[in-house]
Amino acid sequence: QKEVEQDPGPLSVPEGAIVSLNCTYSNSAFQYFMWYRQYSRKGPELLMYTYSSGNKEDGRFTAQVDKSSKYISLFIRDSQPSDSATYLCAQSFSGGYNKLIFGAGTRLAVHP
Amino acid sequence: DAGVTQSPTHLIKTRGQQVTLRCSPKSGHDTVSWYQQALGQGPQFIFQYYEEEERQRGNFPDRFSGHQFPNYSSELNVNALLLGDSALYLCASLGFGGELFFGEGSRLTVL
Repeated sequence: QKEVEQDPGPLSVPEGAIVSLNCTYSNSAFQYFMWYRQYSRKGPELLMYTYSSGNKEDGRFTAQVDKSSKYISLFIRDSQPSDSATYLCAQSFSGGYNKLIFGAGTRLAVHP
Repeated sequence: DAGVTQSPTHLIKTRGQQVTLRCSPKSGHDTVSWYQQALGQGPQFIFQYYEEEERQRGNFPDRFSGHQFPNYSSELNVNALLLGDSALYLCASLGFGGELFFGEGSRLTVL
């Protein structure tokens, strides 16, 4: 069983749609959860950084962590074509102080 | 404020050769991590450097080695290159709250 499972997509949505991206993980000891956005042939860009369970909102983005079911989500409201990218979830025991365990990424395409 | 910078951006090597990749962390960041990202996969942790010492290491062979300099910049060296080493090599610097910030990467092609 992989430590982190993420649907590779691609996920195609119309502009303005609400997007839901998800990951499941196996190690209940993970405490920190991150979402990165990666454009083609670029490095990952940190979108959300959360600790333990709960929700965190930043503009059009909301990250949700459910430690009881080992499930994390990223919601994008009012999606834009510029949101078209690969979204990577990552988990660790203590943020960047320990290695991050990444999912394989979900490709998202937002069409006008 | 410059972000994480890496060089070179692209390079092509042949099997058996050696390569050195370079990284400068964000200003004020003293901890550097290296990751390997194969095509279509998420990044995989290689190692982390702090105070010029390797603090943690992932599941990579000894052909992968690194160094950190007093100014916190870092190098990743890979010896005896294999075709399977072709990947995007990412450097990341550790923020004060534990966030990890990545550079744009060095894309290595091994022929």
